[in-house]
Amino acid sequence: QVQLQESGPGLVKPSGTLSLTCAVSGVSIRGSHWWSWVRQPPGKGLEWIGEIFHSGSTNYNPSLKSRVTLSVDKSKNQFSLRLTSVTAADTAVYYCARGVVDGREWHLYAFEYWGQGALVTVSS
Amino acid sequence: QSALTQPASVSGSPGQSITMSCTGTSSDVGGYNYVSWYQQLPGKAPKLIIYEVTNRPSGVSSRFSASKSGNTASLTISGLQAEDEADYYCSSYSPSYTDISTHVVFGGGTKLTVL
Repeated sequence: QVQLQESGPGLVKPSGTLSLTCAVSGVSIRGSHWWSWVRQPPGKGLEWIGEIFHSGSTNYNPSLKSRVTLSVDKSKNQFSLRLTSVTAADTAVYYCARGVVDGREWHLYAFEYWGQGALVTVSS
Repeated sequence: QSALTQPASVSGSPGQSITMSCTGTSSDVGGYNYVSWYQQLPGKAPKLIIYEVTNRPSGVSSRFSASKSGNTASLTISGLQAEDEADYYCSSYSPSYTDISTHVVFGGGTKLTVL
């Protein structure tokens, strides 16, 4: 079955760079799906960060675009998030997720498989 | 790109039906049939319960149904059960015409309390 697992440092210093990787198992990352990152600050709602296709095509949340880079490593069947110049406001649980496609392999902008989430705290 | 608007909380008694709303604009909810709903239990990852406005993924209870009218989408849960107590989030496709890219926007979430 499809499984996603986030990994990376749980503590990042202010002005530093947050880096997380999502390992995908049970399915090839080369398929028709887009792969996303979503975050959730403690006690708050969900925020879409961005998405990447196995070709390397990306879409980013405009509010984060200047600080976010998504990348994909097909050989390791994983994709990654890099967020620069972090502040305390970036403290959140970060989820990776797989997008839904229909029978024509069209992106439906919904997320059917999620990782368990990784808490990243920005603090000195 | 603004967050979609959801009521902070709704409540209902076991066996009752409740409906919660998700209001956007003609640029997101009202303009496309790519509205989704998620259920999030405490400490867990969100679970997809509705996609493309009305479709339920395999395995999701038929007690969950959804619809859309204009810029507002709605989620209805019938036959409320204690296990339905959770946070519910809506989301929508929200394209940008300034940089020709696609985005997803979430609502702020609604806390469902089963009395």
